[in-house]
Formats: sequence, structure tokens, C-alpha cells
Amino acid sequence: AQKITQTQPGMFVQEKEAVTLDCTYDTSDPSYGLFWYKQPSSGEMIFLIYQGSYDQQNATEGRYSLNFQKARKSANLVISASQLGDSAMYFCAMREGPGNQFYFGTGTSLTVIP
Amino acid sequence: GAGVSQSPRYKVAKRGQDVALRCDPISGHVSLFWYQQALGQGPEFLTYFQNEAQLDKSGLPSDRFFAERPEGSVSTLKIQRTQQEDSAVYLCASSFITDTQYFGPGTRLTVL
Repeated sequence: AQKITQTQPGMFVQEKEAVTLDCTYDTSDPSYGLFWYKQPSSGEMIFLIYQGSYDQQNATEGRYSLNFQKARKSANLVISASQLGDSAMYFCAMREGPGNQFYFGTGTSLTVIP
Repeated sequence: GAGVSQSPRYKVAKRGQDVALRCDPISGHVSLFWYQQALGQGPEFLTYFQNEAQLDKSGLPSDRFFAERPEGSVSTLKIQRTQQEDSAVYLCASSFITDTQYFGPGTRLTVL
């Protein structure tokens, strides 16, 4: 079974609008971390936001927020007030336990339309 | 530098050649990871170091792949007798023990 599932290969959003990128995960480990990364065409993976499995509140970082629904095993990324520079691939990732490898989804390509 | 650096950024190899890819992690970061990213896919784990110890190499696809981090800082991923299926972007990431992983720009390897 896939550890991380991203079901939206491509998304479009109007500039200044909000967009939600979906991510579901699969683990039986009670301790895990969920991450979102942005990968522009230049190729570098840029860390956006982190949510720990024991965190009570949803993580927020500027225009990024993570909609964490533990019972549904979902960790959707919400980008508010989209900007043209947000156009990129977005990857959801999970770490099971401490210090271990990340499992990545297949990514969602976001295009911001002016 | 402030971030993870990798060299070379691009490498073209003829099938059968050996290649060496270098990663300079963020200073002070204990953990170092290598990932392989095929075109249109997410990164896939290759191997993990904590300081100089290689704690997990379960993702290395064959015995042609070898990684080392002899002094617990710079790491080298070596691929012997390259094959066309080795063509991919190789990403290095570092973290402070169990923290967020920060990625380098990657090395794009093309095997002809």
C-alpha cells in the first residue's frame, strides 16, 4: 500500500484565490511527521510546513496551513492568496518514527493563473 | 554556505561508466539522506547516515550503488557501471537528528 497518496496530478487556481492540495497517508506508527515541500522547475525541494502526529493544532506558516484530520489520515495543504510564484510541484511526505526516511507522494502540479 | 549543496548539478555518463555525486550538508546536521527522483515521480529513499554511520541502505537499488560519509560531514554517492535506468535526479537532504529534512538542488544524471 502507498504510504502517501496525492490524488490530484494537476491543479489550477486563480491568482489571489485559495487552493487546497490533498494528501492522505497510511501508517500504523503512532509517532509520525507530515511535511509539505514545494519543487519549482529549478528542482530544489523547498520545505513549507510540518505537522507532528501529536500536535493538537493545525500547523500554519504564513500563507500555508495544514488541515490535519488524524482520524481520516489526511493532511491537506491550504495555500491562501495564491501568487504566480506558487506555480510548482507540491509534494506531501511522511516520516514514521524518529530519524527515518521520508515517504513521498507523487506530487501535485499547481498552476496559478493571472 | 547556508544550505545543502550538491555537485555536479548535471552529469552525463556513458553506459558502463562510474560516477560520483557529492553532497555537502548543512553545518552541524547529524543526519544525511540520499533520494532518487525519476522524472514525474516523488523522491524515493536510497540511504541514510547518522554522522559517519550508514544506518539504513535498504533503498539502494543494486550493489552498483554505494554511499559513504567517512568524516560525518560530506557524503558521496557512487554508482558503478551506470545503466540507462539510473538516469534520474539524485537529491541529498540533511537534518539535525530527527528534524525537518532540508534538500539540496540535486544532481541530474543522464546515462546515454
